[in-house]
Amino acid sequence: KAGVTQTPRYLIKTRGQQVTLSCSPISGHRSVSWYQQTPGQGLQFLFEYFSETQRNKGNFPGRFSGRQFSNSRSEMNVSTLELGDSALYLCASSPGLSTEAFFGQGTRLTVV
Amino acid sequence: AQSVTQLGSHVSVSEGALVLLRCNYSSSVPPYLFWYVQYPNQGLQLLLKYTSAATLVKGINGFEAEFKKSETSFHLTKPSAHMSDAAEYFCAVSRGRGTYKYIFGTGTRLKVLA
Repeated sequence: KAGVTQTPRYLIKTRGQQVTLSCSPISGHRSVSWYQQTPGQGLQFLFEYFSETQRNKGNFPGRFSGRQFSNSRSEMNVSTLELGDSALYLCASSPGLSTEAFFGQGTRLTVV
Repeated sequence: AQSVTQLGSHVSVSEGALVLLRCNYSSSVPPYLFWYVQYPNQGLQLLLKYTSAATLVKGINGFEAEFKKSETSFHLTKPSAHMSDAAEYFCAVSRGRGTYKYIFGTGTRLKVLA
């Protein structure tokens, strides 16, 4: 069974631009969550989706948004990029009835 | 509110020695607790989880953890360290089923000395 796939793996963007990151969950998984990982703040929760509905949102500005499609694939968008948005963005999926999430390898975003 | 504290951002052990990584949690509800491992430039891999069943939880790669409610701890141990155990380890807490909103600790980087 294929794992969680995140694309792209690496991305370089300029301040002020916007970016879209993609996450394909494990087949059959209906829940997707996103995390930001930085050296200074560690791992911080961004969003959680289940069956196309956002169930939880972390403490991030409105520039961070996400969505989930009917096939459970998810995207997150960051608008008006700032240098501080440089991070590893991790996506995780779960069947929705279990307790653990399975993480992808992440997308490393660098804002210059 | 839930929180996780990992004592020691860096831990060094000799190959073959006991590994002990500390995690203390705070939770207003019975917690679900997890240990994840992260290798360089990789995502997180689940080592083990506590979901209110047995308090001693065995995971992959010889790791285990014991849930101690009285001490609000969930320390990770491995009897004998291997060079391949060198990685960063994260403890996390959640409210349980129905949510994957994890609160992570700040991580402990494990170094294994030959």
